[in-house]
Amino acid sequence: ILNVEQSPQSLHVQEGDSTNFTCSFPSSNFYALHWYRWETAKSPEALFVMTLNGDEKKKGRISATLNTKEGYSYLYIKGSQPEDSATYLCAFNYGGATNKLIFGTGTLLAVQP
Amino acid sequence: DAGITQSPRHKVTETGTPVTLRCHQTENHRYMYWYRQDPGHGLRLIHYSYGVKDTDKGEVSDGYSVSRSKTEDFLLTLESATSSQTSVYFCAIKGTTTNEKLFFGSGTQLSVL
Repeated sequence: ILNVEQSPQSLHVQEGDSTNFTCSFPSSNFYALHWYRWETAKSPEALFVMTLNGDEKKKGRISATLNTKEGYSYLYIKGSQPEDSATYLCAFNYGGATNKLIFGTGTLLAVQP
Repeated sequence: DAGITQSPRHKVTETGTPVTLRCHQTENHRYMYWYRQDPGHGLRLIHYSYGVKDTDKGEVSDGYSVSRSKTEDFLLTLESATSSQTSVYFCAIKGTTTNEKLFFGSGTQLSVL
Protein backbone atom coordinates (compact mmCIF):
# COMPACT_ATOMS: atom_id res chain seq x y z
CA ILE A 1 0.00 0.00 0.00
CA LEU A 2 1.44 3.34 -1.05
CA ASN A 3 1.56 5.91 1.70
CA VAL A 4 2.59 9.56 1.81
CA GLU A 5 3.24 11.06 5.23
CA GLN A 6 3.52 14.75 6.05
CA SER A 7 4.77 16.32 9.24
CA PRO A 8 3.99 18.22 11.25
CA GLN A 9 0.21 18.08 10.93
CA SER A 10 -0.03 21.75 11.86
CA LEU A 11 2.31 24.60 12.63
CA HIS A 12 1.80 28.02 14.19
CA VAL A 13 4.57 30.56 13.65
CA GLN A 14 5.08 34.29 14.02
CA GLU A 15 5.43 36.61 11.07
CA GLY A 16 9.06 36.63 9.99
CA ASP A 17 9.84 33.13 11.21
CA SER A 18 11.29 30.62 8.79
CA THR A 19 9.80 27.17 8.79
CA ASN A 20 9.96 23.82 7.07
CA PHE A 21 7.79 20.76 6.56
CA THR A 22 8.56 17.17 5.65
CA CYS A 23 6.98 14.82 3.12
CA SER A 24 7.88 11.11 3.17
CA PHE A 25 7.03 8.87 0.24
CA PRO A 26 7.91 5.43 -1.18
CA SER A 27 11.49 5.32 -2.44
CA SER A 28 10.70 2.81 -5.21
CA ASN A 29 8.94 3.37 -8.54
CA PHE A 30 9.45 7.11 -8.26
CA TYR A 31 8.14 9.35 -11.04
CA ALA A 32 7.65 12.74 -9.40
CA LEU A 33 6.82 14.54 -6.18
CA HIS A 34 4.34 17.43 -6.25
CA TRP A 35 3.84 20.25 -3.75
CA TYR A 36 0.56 22.18 -3.64
CA ARG A 37 -0.60 25.15 -1.61
CA TRP A 38 -4.23 25.13 -0.52
CA GLU A 39 -5.79 28.23 0.96
CA THR A 40 -9.08 28.02 2.81
CA ALA A 41 -12.12 28.22 0.49
CA LYS A 42 -9.92 27.96 -2.59
CA SER A 43 -8.54 25.15 -4.75
CA PRO A 44 -5.10 23.58 -4.41
CA GLU A 45 -2.48 25.36 -6.50
CA ALA A 46 0.75 23.79 -7.64
CA LEU A 47 4.03 25.03 -6.19
CA PHE A 48 6.53 22.55 -7.55
CA VAL A 49 6.83 19.29 -9.46
CA MET A 50 10.13 17.62 -8.67
CA THR A 51 11.53 14.68 -10.58
CA LEU A 52 15.28 14.32 -9.99
CA ASN A 53 17.11 13.19 -6.87
CA GLY A 54 18.84 16.20 -5.35
CA ASP A 55 16.46 18.59 -7.13
CA GLU A 56 15.97 21.99 -5.53
CA LYS A 57 13.19 24.34 -6.62
CA LYS A 58 12.48 27.89 -5.52
CA LYS A 59 9.53 30.24 -5.91
CA GLY A 60 9.93 33.52 -4.07
CA ARG A 61 10.39 32.76 -0.38
CA ILE A 62 9.39 29.12 -0.80
CA SER A 63 11.82 26.39 -1.75
CA ALA A 64 11.85 22.60 -1.81
CA THR A 65 14.40 19.82 -1.90
CA LEU A 66 14.06 16.20 -2.97
CA ASN A 67 15.77 12.98 -1.89
CA THR A 68 14.36 10.10 -3.91
CA LYS A 69 16.80 7.50 -2.54
CA GLU A 70 15.56 7.90 1.03
CA GLY A 71 12.05 9.02 0.08
CA TYR A 72 11.64 12.50 1.50
CA SER A 73 11.16 16.10 0.44
CA TYR A 74 11.40 19.29 2.49
CA LEU A 75 9.47 22.48 1.87
CA TYR A 76 10.98 25.65 3.32
CA ILE A 77 9.37 29.04 3.80
CA LYS A 78 11.74 31.89 4.59
CA GLY A 79 10.38 34.85 6.55
CA SER A 80 6.78 33.63 6.82
CA GLN A 81 4.04 36.16 6.13
CA PRO A 82 0.34 35.97 7.11
CA GLU A 83 -0.53 35.38 3.46
CA ASP A 84 1.50 32.14 3.60
CA SER A 85 -1.17 30.69 5.89
CA ALA A 86 -2.52 27.65 4.08
CA THR A 87 -2.38 23.88 3.98
CA TYR A 88 0.65 22.55 2.12
CA LEU A 89 0.12 19.23 0.37
CA CYS A 90 2.64 16.88 -1.13
CA ALA A 91 1.72 14.15 -3.60
CA PHE A 92 3.62 11.17 -4.99
CA ASN A 93 3.14 10.24 -8.63
CA TYR A 94 2.81 6.46 -8.82
CA GLY A 95 1.19 6.35 -12.23
CA GLY A 96 3.93 7.64 -14.50
CA ALA A 97 2.47 9.36 -17.55
CA THR A 98 -1.06 9.06 -16.18
CA ASN A 99 0.02 11.20 -13.21
CA LYS A 100 -2.00 9.25 -10.63
CA LEU A 101 -1.12 10.94 -7.36
CA ILE A 102 -1.21 9.78 -3.74
CA PHE A 103 -1.64 12.85 -1.56
CA GLY A 104 -0.49 13.34 2.00
CA THR A 105 -2.92 14.82 4.51
CA GLY A 106 -1.08 18.13 4.49
CA THR A 107 0.60 20.51 6.90
CA LEU A 108 -1.60 23.38 8.07
CA LEU A 109 0.48 26.54 8.51
CA ALA A 110 -0.87 29.50 10.45
CA VAL A 111 1.27 32.64 10.46
CA GLN A 112 0.43 35.15 13.20
CA PRO A 113 1.02 38.85 12.42
CA ASP B 1 -6.28 30.57 -14.00
CA ALA B 2 -6.99 27.25 -15.71
CA GLY B 3 -10.49 27.13 -17.18
CA ILE B 4 -12.15 24.48 -15.05
CA THR B 5 -15.75 24.70 -13.94
CA GLN B 6 -17.42 22.27 -11.60
CA SER B 7 -21.19 22.05 -11.24
CA PRO B 8 -23.07 22.12 -9.06
CA ARG B 9 -21.02 23.86 -6.35
CA HIS B 10 -23.24 22.48 -3.61
CA LYS B 11 -25.75 19.65 -3.55
CA VAL B 12 -27.85 17.99 -0.90
CA THR B 13 -29.46 14.71 -1.80
CA GLU B 14 -31.01 11.68 -0.18
CA THR B 15 -29.61 8.19 0.23
CA GLY B 16 -30.37 5.99 -2.75
CA THR B 17 -30.76 8.76 -5.31
CA PRO B 18 -28.50 9.07 -8.35
CA VAL B 19 -26.22 12.10 -8.53
CA THR B 20 -24.07 13.41 -11.37
CA LEU B 21 -21.30 15.95 -10.95
CA ARG B 22 -19.88 17.75 -13.94
CA CYS B 23 -16.39 19.00 -14.68
CA HIS B 24 -15.95 21.24 -17.69
CA GLN B 25 -12.59 22.49 -19.00
CA THR B 26 -11.68 24.99 -21.69
CA GLU B 27 -7.96 24.09 -21.81
CA ASN B 28 -8.25 21.10 -24.20
CA HIS B 29 -6.19 19.06 -21.70
CA ARG B 30 -5.99 15.33 -22.22
CA TYR B 31 -6.10 14.15 -18.62
CA MET B 32 -8.98 14.74 -16.21
CA TYR B 33 -9.33 13.47 -12.65
CA TRP B 34 -11.94 13.22 -9.93
CA TYR B 35 -10.76 13.38 -6.31
CA ARG B 36 -12.62 13.41 -3.02
CA GLN B 37 -11.49 15.25 0.11
CA ASP B 38 -12.46 14.00 3.56
CA PRO B 39 -11.22 15.02 7.02
CA GLY B 40 -8.18 12.99 8.03
CA HIS B 41 -7.50 11.88 4.49
CA GLY B 42 -5.53 13.40 1.70
CA LEU B 43 -7.18 13.97 -1.64
CA ARG B 44 -8.07 10.49 -2.92
CA LEU B 45 -8.37 9.61 -6.58
CA ILE B 46 -11.75 8.21 -7.64
CA HIS B 47 -11.43 7.89 -11.41
CA TYR B 48 -9.43 9.51 -14.14
CA SER B 49 -9.57 9.90 -17.90
CA TYR B 50 -6.73 9.92 -20.42
CA GLY B 51 -8.85 10.77 -23.43
CA VAL B 52 -12.35 10.72 -24.85
CA LYS B 53 -14.02 7.47 -23.82
CA ASP B 54 -10.79 6.39 -22.03
CA THR B 55 -11.18 6.12 -18.28
CA ASP B 56 -9.70 4.09 -15.45
CA LYS B 57 -10.20 3.54 -11.74
CA GLY B 58 -8.38 5.25 -8.92
CA GLU B 59 -7.98 4.33 -5.25
CA VAL B 60 -11.60 4.73 -4.16
CA SER B 61 -13.72 3.94 -7.23
CA ASP B 62 -16.37 1.69 -5.65
CA GLY B 63 -19.83 3.23 -5.97
CA TYR B 64 -18.76 5.70 -8.66
CA SER B 65 -18.80 5.69 -12.44
CA VAL B 66 -17.49 8.23 -14.93
CA SER B 67 -17.96 9.17 -18.53
CA ARG B 68 -16.08 11.35 -20.96
CA SER B 69 -17.88 11.72 -24.28
CA LYS B 70 -15.97 14.85 -25.30
CA THR B 71 -12.63 16.37 -24.36
CA GLU B 72 -14.05 19.19 -22.30
CA ASP B 73 -16.47 17.29 -20.06
CA PHE B 74 -15.85 14.62 -17.40
CA LEU B 75 -18.89 13.42 -15.49
CA LEU B 76 -18.86 11.64 -12.13
CA THR B 77 -21.97 9.63 -11.27
CA LEU B 78 -23.02 8.18 -7.96
CA GLU B 79 -25.55 5.57 -9.09
CA SER B 80 -27.16 5.27 -5.66
CA ALA B 81 -25.75 7.79 -3.23
CA THR B 82 -24.81 6.70 0.30
CA SER B 83 -23.99 8.78 3.36
CA SER B 84 -20.34 7.66 3.09
CA GLN B 85 -20.17 9.57 -0.17
CA THR B 86 -20.76 12.87 1.61
CA SER B 87 -17.58 14.71 0.72
CA VAL B 88 -16.02 17.55 -1.22
CA TYR B 89 -15.29 16.49 -4.79
CA PHE B 90 -12.54 18.10 -6.84
CA CYS B 91 -11.93 17.83 -10.53
CA ALA B 92 -8.41 18.33 -11.87
CA ILE B 93 -6.86 18.52 -15.32
CA LYS B 94 -3.41 18.02 -16.78
CA GLY B 95 -1.81 18.36 -20.18
CA THR B 96 -0.03 15.66 -22.13
CA THR B 97 3.53 16.04 -20.83
CA THR B 98 4.52 13.59 -18.09
CA ASN B 99 4.90 15.13 -14.63
CA GLU B 100 3.00 18.29 -15.33
CA LYS B 101 1.21 19.88 -12.41
CA LEU B 102 -2.51 19.46 -11.88
CA PHE B 103 -4.98 22.33 -12.10
CA PHE B 104 -7.94 21.97 -9.77
CA GLY B 105 -11.53 23.11 -10.00
CA SER B 106 -13.31 24.90 -7.16
CA GLY B 107 -14.90 21.77 -5.74
CA THR B 108 -18.41 20.45 -5.21
CA GLN B 109 -19.72 20.00 -1.67
CA LEU B 110 -22.04 16.97 -1.69
CA SER B 111 -24.16 16.02 1.29
CA VAL B 112 -26.04 12.71 1.26
CA LEU B 113 -28.69 12.57 3.97
